[in-house]
Amino acid sequence: EAQVTQNPRYLITVTGKKLTVTCSQNMNHEYMSWYRQDPGLGLRQIYYSMNVEVTDKGDVPEGYKVSRKEKRNFPLILESPSPNQTSLYFCASSLLTGGGDTQYFGPGTRLTVL
Amino acid sequence: GEDVEQSLFLSVREGDSSVINCTYTDSSSTYLYWYKQEPGAGLQLLTYIFSNMDMKQDQRLTVLLNKKDKHLSLRIADTQTGDSAIYFCAESPVMDSSYKLIFGSGTRLLVRP
Repeated sequence: EAQVTQNPRYLITVTGKKLTVTCSQNMNHEYMSWYRQDPGLGLRQIYYSMNVEVTDKGDVPEGYKVSRKEKRNFPLILESPSPNQTSLYFCASSLLTGGGDTQYFGPGTRLTVL
Repeated sequence: GEDVEQSLFLSVREGDSSVINCTYTDSSSTYLYWYKQEPGAGLQLLTYIFSNMDMKQDQRLTVLLNKKDKHLSLRIADTQTGDSAIYFCAESPVMDSSYKLIFGSGTRLLVRP
């Protein structure tokens, strides 16, 4: 089954404790992206990647890192989480054909930073 | 700047039609999307429309696009309780090299039995 998976689905942590949220897709998509969803703000892009070893900042990259060592995986790293990073995080992937490429979303990771 | 706006809440009775409206600002957007988010779940693509189309119908879903007014709507016919969810409108600006989707804040649809 074609899908985007994220782990963990739920995470409660404390300020400053490094964490990684994994994202994996089995559709051989070039493009992968991370969004965060906050009430009243919709989804905002954190980082994106056009292909292996190619990553770039989205609209709200502060406090986050990513890596793209393999095509299927795109982990989101919070080196020193803070309470304002409490949010619902979504990973997405798509082909890059130049027009109308459907972005497939993972199930989300709900992160709480105390 | 880029902005997508939606009303926050809509309540309808089961069996009625629902119409969710959206306005966007980037006229370069080639594709416009509707996503559905059920409680505790990710985003599911419902449908999309190419900017050179005025209307697209897919079973109970009808998308209308008024490019002049930058207005997009999603009509759900014969709305069911299973349609209760948050619906997001999104645009994909052509000129944005990040290929990101610009989302509205979502419309929460409540279907009353």
